Amino acid sequence: DTAVSQTPKYLVTQMGNDKSIKCEQNLGHDTMYWYKQDSKKFLKIMFSYNNKELIINETVPNRFSPKSPDKAHLNLHINSLELGDSAVYFCATSKGSTDTQYFGPGTRLTVL
Amino acid sequence: QKEVEQDPGPLSVPEGAIVSLNCTYSNSAFQYFMWYRQYSRKGPELLMYTYSSGNKEDGRFTAQVDKSSKYISLFIRDSQPSDSATYLCAMSRGTGNKLTFGGGTRVLVKP
Repeated sequence: DTAVSQTPKYLVTQMGNDKSIKCEQNLGHDTMYWYKQDSKKFLKIMFSYNNKELIINETVPNRFSPKSPDKAHLNLHINSLELGDSAVYFCATSKGSTDTQYFGPGTRLTVL
Repeated sequence: QKEVEQDPGPLSVPEGAIVSLNCTYSNSAFQYFMWYRQYSRKGPELLMYTYSSGNKEDGRFTAQVDKSSKYISLFIRDSQPSDSATYLCAMSRGTGNKLTFGGGTRVLVKP
């Protein structure tokens, strides 16, 4: 049983489109995150939710909007996609305030 | 200058050699230090987790933290081809705070 899953695994789309990425976890963790990993492998946090409440919101364009419908899910919606949005997006979870984060397999987004 | 610096590599070693990885950082407030391993097209997985200065050993892996020098290391003994991956260091100021990652070092262990 996959602990942290993401859909889709690959996403290829045109500039200007709107797309969503979904994350689900079955670990019972309270905190979920979205990270962006660029082509140079640099992993940078975008958002963090704890018990469905936004607690970290890094300097990210407001075209990116996270949504947590419940503790087990954290989705990322991206409006008006740009070439620079091409990256691998990782979801991660942690239990409460600990820093041991468990990552999903990633969603590889390519914007053409 | 990035908060956490890590040589991107690649670092190529023969099977059985010791792999030595390190990160330097600029924020003295960091107290929690982690090493993640990331295989190609997979998510990072936690290898080692340490608090403050000191050493921690787990099997073939040893993590060292020197807060006075703002320098952390990961050593892999008796390296195997299956250790070939990108190794990312990460750190935070405290529990519940965001993680700041290094850019990762790509390691190749040749049979």
